[in-house]
Amino acid sequence: QQQVKQSPQSLIVQKGGISIINCAYENTAFDYFPWYQQFPGKGPALLIAIRPDVSEKKEGRFTISFNKSAKQFSLHIMDSQPGDSATYFCAARKSNFGNEKLTFGTGTRLTIIP
Amino acid sequence: GAVVSQHPSWVICKSGTSVKIECRSLDFQATTMFWYRQFPKQSLMLMATSNEGSKATYEQGVEKDKFLINHASLTLSTLTVTSAHPEDSSFYICSARRQEGDEQFFGPGTRLTVL
Repeated sequence: QQQVKQSPQSLIVQKGGISIINCAYENTAFDYFPWYQQFPGKGPALLIAIRPDVSEKKEGRFTISFNKSAKQFSLHIMDSQPGDSATYFCAARKSNFGNEKLTFGTGTRLTIIP
Repeated sequence: GAVVSQHPSWVICKSGTSVKIECRSLDFQATTMFWYRQFPKQSLMLMATSNEGSKATYEQGVEKDKFLINHASLTLSTLTVTSAHPEDSSFYICSARRQEGDEQFFGPGTRLTVL
């Protein structure tokens, strides 16, 4: 049973545009929501993360919007650049104890075209 | 920032042989390490969670006798794929967490090809 649903599967955005990727979760016990960026042949790298006590978090061109009542969160990439072309994964985890595992979305392949 | 390394970055082996992959946290102590496998164009699939000095907890469907995980120190975990077969060919990624803090740091991955 997939607990984190991610969409779209792939996304093409023009350079300078806004890229938006959405995720929805089911488990209300989740309280940590990170986004990872992965380039081909590399491990994922943390982009930005949020906890449910805030509705938005911004770091540079990357913003997470969080809707606790709808159990949804999204990643916005402003002024998208060709270097942003990668696969993006949302994830969710409950509690802050070290053993707790991340549940990943299925990934979005983002392509930024000139 | 916290760095996690993996060795080797890629390996090719013959069917039936065993392969060991190392995961090291270079500048922090990792109380928990995670092992994932990833098939092309798919998401990360958690294989097991390990804590230093104790047995790993395997996810449902992952054969513990085939994928041996050892977490002998706070900076090193190893994954041994025993009697590897072509279907074990995949991208294996480890990650590590400190005792405190949210972030989970990922290694660069190891590409395993079994001929």
